[in-house]
Amino acid sequence: ETGVTQTPRHLVMGMTNKKSLKCEQHLGHNAMYWYKQSAKKPLELMFVYSLEERVENNSVPSRFSPECPNSSHLFLHLHTLQPEDSALYLCASSQDPGGAGGNNEQFFGPGTRLTVL
Amino acid sequence: KNEVEQSPQNLTAQEGEFITINCSYSVGISALHWLQQHPGGGIVSLFMLSSGKKKHGRLIATINIQEKHSSLHITASHPRDSAVYICAVAQGAQKLVFGQGTRLTINP
Repeated sequence: ETGVTQTPRHLVMGMTNKKSLKCEQHLGHNAMYWYKQSAKKPLELMFVYSLEERVENNSVPSRFSPECPNSSHLFLHLHTLQPEDSALYLCASSQDPGGAGGNNEQFFGPGTRLTVL
Repeated sequence: KNEVEQSPQNLTAQEGEFITINCSYSVGISALHWLQQHPGGGIVSLFMLSSGKKKHGRLIATINIQEKHSSLHITASHPRDSAVYICAVAQGAQKLVFGQGTRLTINP
């Protein structure tokens, strides 16, 4: 495997389900990101982990819970979601030299297309 | 008003035409990114620039920091260039703010 992988690629869940999205990067990067892309809206940053510590959280509802067990893996745990949470969830990674992460190229995974019924 | 505005939102052209997509931003930035998103969702980074101009193959990106404006040009456009092109500005550590994207369709 190369680059950034995400599983599953498609997920349909009910509002009472609990599911998890997985992201894995094979690039030796030390920063990982979750983004949400809703129809007709710009990409929104949800969470950033740098060196496995959460450094950015854009006031995302608590029904989304990230986990970064090591620098290569990132999870997004989902519970009691709403239909408006249906979107494409993208993971990305970059090499953060410290304090200048926005200047570094981010490599994106293929995304998980989530539908909440 | 979004912090990052792209124009046009949609662009259809014939194969071979010269394409320009514009991005204006209203905040201080440390860098600007151009990304390409194909149907199905995958995103590829095309350019990251903080001044001047960069060229890669048929793609050229320019930025004017004083005017807070960037352009992405495609020369000799081809149907495989059809995608959504996204401008994103870097604000602080690790944070990117995205434009709404420009949907480009190149007809043969």
